[in-house]
Amino acid sequence: SQELEQSPQSLIVQEGKNLTINCTSSKTLYGLYWYKQKYGEGLIFLMMLQKGGEEKSHEKITAKLDEKKQQSSLHITASQPSHAGIYLCGADPVYNFNKFYFGSGTKLNVKP
Amino acid sequence: EPEVTQTPSHQVTQMGQEVILRCVPISNHLYFYWYRQILGQKVEFLVSFYNNEISEKSEIFDDQFSVERPDGSNFTLKIRSTKLEDSAMYFCASSEARGKALNYGYTFGSGTRLTVV
Repeated sequence: SQELEQSPQSLIVQEGKNLTINCTSSKTLYGLYWYKQKYGEGLIFLMMLQKGGEEKSHEKITAKLDEKKQQSSLHITASQPSHAGIYLCGADPVYNFNKFYFGSGTKLNVKP
Repeated sequence: EPEVTQTPSHQVTQMGQEVILRCVPISNHLYFYWYRQILGQKVEFLVSFYNNEISEKSEIFDDQFSVERPDGSNFTLKIRSTKLEDSAMYFCASSEARGKALNYGYTFGSGTRLTVV
């Protein structure tokens, strides 16, 4: 079955530091999404990447998708306490558009 | 920007009771989905729905679950006899048909937190 591996599982950084979260698939993806979630709350859509090599930025968050469309990274520059939360990648594989898979999430804590 | 709307945001129900979770997908979307997230765990796929029928379902989606699009705008998830382990956040999502690369995308609702007591 299609799985999305996220790393690291959790991350504690000092405010102002940069960080990167990775999401890897064993199969080629049709689209890769990044979401943020506060514990026990809803999903906040961050970005969607669809083309190999694509890179998108929003404020201090940048997401990239590799050329093979199997790996994505989310980079936060100069982290702030407001960046704290759980970051989830989600994707649908090329071979099955009926399913959308989520990674297990990366829990980010930013220390003031 | 179009949204997927879920109601209620939080529902508390007695074990054994039936519960219906409601979703209004984006109006021109054709594919509809339900996902579940037990607190602190992964978001899990339950079911996908297209052309008024289930197109795929997971092993979680057993006979206690059913989905319906009763009136062309709502998409509902019914749990017939709730169990304690059904307590979770339930997310609805919708998407356009494949092929419209520029407009393609899944949109998720903000979720319904179901608590079974």
